[in-house]
Amino acid sequence: NAGVTQTPKFQVLKTGQSMTLQCAQDMNHEYMSWYRQDPGMGLRLIHYSVGAGITDQGEVPNGYNVSRSTTEDFPLRLLSAAPSQTSVYFCASGKDGFDYGYTFGSGTRLTVV
Amino acid sequence: QQQVKQSPQSLIVQKGGISIINCAYENTAFDYFPWYQQFPGKGPALLIAIRPDVSEKKEGRFTISFNKSAKQFSLHIMDSQPGDSATYFCAAVRGGATNKLIFGTGTLLAVQP
Repeated sequence: NAGVTQTPKFQVLKTGQSMTLQCAQDMNHEYMSWYRQDPGMGLRLIHYSVGAGITDQGEVPNGYNVSRSTTEDFPLRLLSAAPSQTSVYFCASGKDGFDYGYTFGSGTRLTVV
Repeated sequence: QQQVKQSPQSLIVQKGGISIINCAYENTAFDYFPWYQQFPGKGPALLIAIRPDVSEKKEGRFTISFNKSAKQFSLHIMDSQPGDSATYFCAAVRGGATNKLIFGTGTLLAVQP
């Protein structure tokens, strides 16, 4: 099925560990983004990309890295996990222009202990 | 600071009633205002969106009202149904950069049968 695929769905990390959240889309969308969702704070933009090889920071980029080597994939790396990074992470993709909605994946629930 | 302010945080409506969720923004450069619907365990999904050159947009039971001078917009759900129970997020975008959605904090809607 076409869409945005995120893996894993759940993850528990110890403080200081690193990991990569995977995101892949098969809709040939040029735009991709990572958001984190925390209670009472909505969704906040971490990093985004407007195409392969092009990334930029969003509202809350500290502690996270991204790269975009292909149109399809946009992994999010946690360099040294902290309890403050406990959250639900969503990857999304879309096209340029107002007529297109942004398609979200089903999320990764991350707990840092 | 929160660029898009959303209220109420939670809302309980009887089946058949009208659900109203309000949002306000400060940045007059925003030029696209989508609403997203999120069910538990799922990613947000585009529900309806409006450009500031119109004051109202209706799709089925869902209507966006937009007041450009007051910098406010709202979602009205007519004839609310239990299946509408979800979290609703307003959002704003500047300059067609649909990959940089700025979200409100969300409203948890419960429609009682």
